Parts: sequence; structure tokens; C-alpha cells
Amino acid sequence: QKEVEQNSGPLSVPEGAIASLNCTYSDRGSQSFFWYRQYSGKSPELIMFIYSNGDKEDGRFTAQLNKASQYVSLLIRDSQPSDSATYLCAVKGSNYQLIWGAGTKLIIKP
Amino acid sequence: DVKVTQSSRYLVKRTGEKVFLECVQDMDHENMFWYRQDPGLGLRLIYFSYDVKMKEKGDIPEGYSVSREKKERFSLILESASTNQTSMYLCASSEANPETQYFGPGTRLLVL
Repeated sequence: QKEVEQNSGPLSVPEGAIASLNCTYSDRGSQSFFWYRQYSGKSPELIMFIYSNGDKEDGRFTAQLNKASQYVSLLIRDSQPSDSATYLCAVKGSNYQLIWGAGTKLIIKP
Repeated sequence: DVKVTQSSRYLVKRTGEKVFLECVQDMDHENMFWYRQDPGLGLRLIYFSYDVKMKEKGDIPEGYSVSREKKERFSLILESASTNQTSMYLCASSEANPETQYFGPGTRLLVL
């Protein structure tokens, strides 16, 4: 059973600090990695994706991928209260289907 | 902007009823998906479709069926609703590369 694991949280971070969200996956053949944000009562929306080892930056967000260790992380710099949400990690496995983690709830405290 | 709409935001049905959930996307996407989302379990794929009249089972197809008669519309059918099908149902669509998925607002279904 291919799996994607995330700490459910909640992860509490002070406003202005860096929030670090982590995700591990079991399928070594995984090709693409995605972070979605889901506000309470809303549907998921894509934040960013990463295909290659290393870092990818988009504004305040940085995705980090380490295929050897099978983990992907999302860093949010200068965290704002509006970043409070559940963050879902999704991995495109070797069967070309997306496998979803259960999400990490992030709370940014003013 | 991509728009995915779902027929209802909230539904209350009785055990044994046949339930239809409809999803429509306006971006001419090839791929459409139905998920259910339950606390602590994340998104679980029920069915997906890569083309009109084509359907594939996802991870949890039991008790569900789907219909895709037109490219823009993907329907989920609960043949005989049961209480364990109480959940949030999310529809998504994507282009030929099925990675960036766009979600509808969701239907919260309660089966009594």
C-alpha cells in the first residue's frame, strides 16, 4: 500500500516566524509532489509543486524535495494569520495516480 | 479561472435511498475525479475518468458508481445510501496531465 504520511498537528507558529511542514512517502518511483492548502469548510487549492531534488521558491513559500530520504517539506516564511489552514501533501506515484496525505493543521498565532 | 461546480453543498438522505451528486467543469478538462474526505483519513479516490464514457475505479469504489456522458459533467451515484457514506464529497478536474487538480466546493452528505 503506497502511503503519504503527515503529522496531523496542530502545528502552532507565531506570526512572522517560519512554518515548516513535512511529508514522507513510501513509493520510491514517485515523480511529482504537490502542496495544497485547505481552509476550514473549503476545498483544497494548489500552492505549489516540485519535481526535482532541492528547493523551489514561490513568494513566501518554499518546497523542498529529497528523493533519497523520501520526504518533501513546505516552508512558509513570515507566517500570517491568513496562512492558518490544513496543508495537504500529494504525491504522484509510479502508477500515475495522486496519493494524498491526511494533512497538517497549521495555526498562526498573532 | 477554472470553475468546478457541484450540484449541492449539503444533502440529507435516508438509508437505502439512491443519491446523485453532480459535478460540472467549464475548462474543457480531460480528467475528472470523485473523492471523499473524512477526518484523519485525507482524500480518498472513489472513481476517476480520463475521457467521456470512460471510468476507472479508485481506491474505494464499493457502493458507488459514476457516469460521464459529456466531457464537462461527471456524476457520482450512491446506489443505496448507507450511514457509512456520510462524508464530504469533492469533485476535481484537471487537464491531460492529471497533476494540478481543481476542486469544486464539495458536497457534505449526511445519511440518516
